[in-house]
Amino acid sequence: DIQMTQSPSSLSASVGDRVTITCRASQSISNYLNWYQQKPGKAPKFLIYAASSLQSGVPSRFSGSGSGTDFTLTISGLQPEDFATYYCQQSYNNVWTFGQGTKVEI
Amino acid sequence: EVQLVESGGGLVQPGGSLRLSCAASGFTFSDHYMDWVRQAPGKGLEWLGRARDKVHSYTTEYAASVKGRFTISRDDSESSLYLQMDSLKTEDTAVYYCVRLSRAGSPPYYYYAMDVWGQGTTVTVSS
Repeated sequence: DIQMTQSPSSLSASVGDRVTITCRASQSISNYLNWYQQKPGKAPKFLIYAASSLQSGVPSRFSGSGSGTDFTLTISGLQPEDFATYYCQQSYNNVWTFGQGTKVEI
Repeated sequence: EVQLVESGGGLVQPGGSLRLSCAASGFTFSDHYMDWVRQAPGKGLEWLGRARDKVHSYTTEYAASVKGRFTISRDDSESSLYLQMDSLKTEDTAVYYCVRLSRAGSPPYYYYAMDVWGQGTTVTVSS
């Protein structure tokens, strides 16, 4: 299976900050990389597909980049509603895997 | 409104079985691949498996952790997805989510992602 490793596992930030989360794949996955946001007690929400394409309705302060094995999720201008856990997920092969998550907290 | 509603969770003893259901509404269920994802208490997301659509012969995929114990099926006439869980272990305790996959891109470069999630149903495996 392809292993997905996120860093950091958690980070502290303030409203207005620029936040960057890194996701690394154990092998090249081209740009078959999705990002999700999860708030406590809620189901995850789909944010980004194909490493950098924003899902409809997702604020433009979210952006993704990367290809191959290294990817980033950036939140430019953190808002109060952005405090959550973020997961990357590869869709390169038939067996999908998630990163372990990055908790963004105050 | 596009919606997925899971049901069937509960308390089961180790070694037991449970069948989860997911009722879909607000979209053409038969057009979509469907997945199951779980989340153990305080842990991250774990992909469990997939049921493809009729065009792809309803084929299935499974994570290694559940292969041979869990079976995913679907009934397009009922817009429903199922997860049959056998030989349950304490480590199967989790919230189980039903998820819709959508596709973007153009051939041959299609990108699939989990764009609609149910609210989850809780399975507790304990004696």
